[in-house]
Amino acid sequence: EIVMTQSPATLSVSPGERATLSCRASQSVSSNLAWYQQKPGQAPRLLIYGASTRATGIPARFSGSGSGTEFTLTISSLQSEDFAVYYCQQYNNWPTFGPGTKVDIK
Amino acid sequence: QVQLVESGGGVVQPGRSLRLSCAASGSTFSSYAMHWVRQAPGKGLEWVAVISYDGRNNYYADSVKGRFTISRDNSKNTLYLQMNSLRAEDTAVYYCARDLLVGATTGGLDYWGQGTLVTVSS
Repeated sequence: EIVMTQSPATLSVSPGERATLSCRASQSVSSNLAWYQQKPGQAPRLLIYGASTRATGIPARFSGSGSGTEFTLTISSLQSEDFAVYYCQQYNNWPTFGPGTKVDIK
Repeated sequence: QVQLVESGGGVVQPGRSLRLSCAASGSTFSSYAMHWVRQAPGKGLEWVAVISYDGRNNYYADSVKGRFTISRDNSKNTLYLQMNSLRAEDTAVYYCARDLLVGATTGGLDYWGQGTLVTVSS
C-alpha cells in the first residue's frame, strides 16, 4: 500500500494570503495524484488531478505541482470559501488518501 | 449535471448486514467505473471498493475484502454495496464516487454523492 503524508496538519492563513500545502508518497506515483477540498458536512470536491490539472469549474487560484513522491497544492490568494480540509490522493495503485491539511483563518 | 444520491444507511448491530445504493443521473452511468469511499466520524477518507464500467471487474480494500460486495445495475443507473458481517469499525459515512475517465479505472474521483451514514452498534 502506498502511504500518503501531508504537511502541515493545520495551516493558519489570513484571507488574501498564499497557502502552500505539501503531500508526499511513500513511493513514486508518477503524476497520478489528486487534491480534494472538504468542508464540514459536505462531500469532498475534486480540485486537481494528474498532479496539476484543474478540475472543471475550479478557480485559477488553485494550482498543483510535483511528480513522483513530492507534490504541492498552492492557493494563491485565500478567499473565505477556501477555509476547509484538503486531502491528497494517489491513484497510481489502489487509491490511498493523505490524512488531510486543515486550512483555517489566522 | 452529474448527480449521485446514496441511500440505505442506518443503525445496524455488529455481525448484521446492510445494502447501500447510489442512484446516478446526468451522465452515461454505464461508461464509468464507480467507487465507494468511506469516512469514519472525525477521520479521513478511506477507499473501499471499485467496480469497472461494465461490472466485470471489482477490487476491494483489505479492510473489507470478503465481507463487502460492490455491484451495479447499468439498466437502473444504480451502484450497490452489500455489507456483511459488519463491525464497529465500519461505522462511517459512505460516499459513492465516479471515476475520472470514461471506460477506464483510474482511481481519480470527479463526482461524489452526499454520503449515507452507517452506524454499527449494539
